[in-house]
Amino acid sequence: ETGVTQTPRHLVMGMTNKKSLKCEQHLGHNAMYWYKQSAKKPLELMFVYNFKEQTENNSVPSRFSPECPNSSHLFLHLHTLQPEDSALYLCASSQAGRGATDTQYFGPGTRLTVL
Amino acid sequence: AQTVTQSQPEMSVQEAETVTLSCTYDTSESDYYLFWYKQPPSRQMILVIRQEAYKQQNATENRFSVNFQKAAKSFSLKISDSQLGDAAMYFCAYRSAGTASKLTFGTGTRLQVTL
Repeated sequence: ETGVTQTPRHLVMGMTNKKSLKCEQHLGHNAMYWYKQSAKKPLELMFVYNFKEQTENNSVPSRFSPECPNSSHLFLHLHTLQPEDSALYLCASSQAGRGATDTQYFGPGTRLTVL
Repeated sequence: AQTVTQSQPEMSVQEAETVTLSCTYDTSESDYYLFWYKQPPSRQMILVIRQEAYKQQNATENRFSVNFQKAAKSFSLKISDSQLGDAAMYFCAYRSAGTASKLTFGTGTRLQVTL
């Protein structure tokens, strides 16, 4: 479980709050991902960062703002969320590029509840 | 767009028995990767097994093996000698061959292991 860590594990916030989710990978990978897991729905990709550059934004509302300061850290800044944003937010990392397996390894997730 | 379908929301298997979880996918690509992930109640998404589409040989990892039928776009997971610790949600996932590509997940199959 120490390969990809996420903090906090649980977060309850009001709709007017601002909070951040943190992800750190200790695997030496160069790509990081945010996924959202809602009840009764498949996991949905939110963002992809490859070598600190955002390479994919899956039409995510602007109230979610990602930040990737280096290849080991990924943040998801949250502001003015809605109750329907309550979900499990999963971070993943992979070694991308020629010859790499590019297999994604996941963190334990942050359970977010928006009141 | 690619889609992944898991038609069995729940499955049950007795300890020490064998169970097969089904997965089908739809894609127009010829080069891609398929995965099975396991998510126990602890929420950590754990890689179970991976298959490269260009390989005809089915992947095997200890008690876990796949039946990859590329023409039929089928990718089932067989768990042999089931153990109580195998109880979890199992997700089938697809990834294109490009760098740092997103995973497309199915809706999952909940596996129950009984004594």
